[in-house]
Amino acid sequence: SQELEQSPQSLIVQEGKNLTINCTSSKTLYGLYWYKQKYGEGLIFLMMLQKGGEEKSHEKITAKLDEKKQQSSLHITASQPSHAGIYLCGAELSGYALNFGKGTSLLVTP
Amino acid sequence: DTGVSQDPRHKITKRGQNVTFRCDPISEHNRLYWYRQTLGQGPEFLTYFQNEAQLEKSRLLSDRFSAERPKGSFSTLEIQRTEQGDSAMYLCASSATQGTDTQYFGPGTRLTVL
Repeated sequence: SQELEQSPQSLIVQEGKNLTINCTSSKTLYGLYWYKQKYGEGLIFLMMLQKGGEEKSHEKITAKLDEKKQQSSLHITASQPSHAGIYLCGAELSGYALNFGKGTSLLVTP
Repeated sequence: DTGVSQDPRHKITKRGQNVTFRCDPISEHNRLYWYRQTLGQGPEFLTYFQNEAQLEKSRLLSDRFSAERPKGSFSTLEIQRTEQGDSAMYLCASSATQGTDTQYFGPGTRLTVL
């Protein structure tokens, strides 16, 4: 089965700093999703990447899928307290179910 | 609000009791998914429906778990004879057609089995 490893497991950054979260797959990624989750709540869709080399941005968040399609990164520029939460990468299994990494917990301090 | 909704948001039950959760997907979405998430882990796939047909079930879905989507709209997930290990967040998601069918998640139902 496909394994997704996220790093780091947790991150504490000062407000205004940039940060990067990585998601590495044991197999080729055919659809890679990034979600954000606040504690105790559901997942909020951020971005979806399909093509090798693809890059998408929304506000201060940029996600990339590498050419070999086995790793994705999520970069936040000038972090804000509103960015705090758990970031999850998910990839398509057989059919349409998603397999998720364990998540990266982000805390942004003043 | 036209997003995915789940009811109840929280459920506390005693071991051995049966519980049922409901999920209402985004109205035009024909696919519906159930996931389970425990503390410190990502969501784990349980089952999914296309319209009223249950097309895939995870090995995590033991005989005590049953899911239905009788009219291809809302879905229910029932857990019979609950165990403490069933304590988790149960998440529902829905998506539209094939291709880049992004899954949109509901707020989840947190189950605590005492």
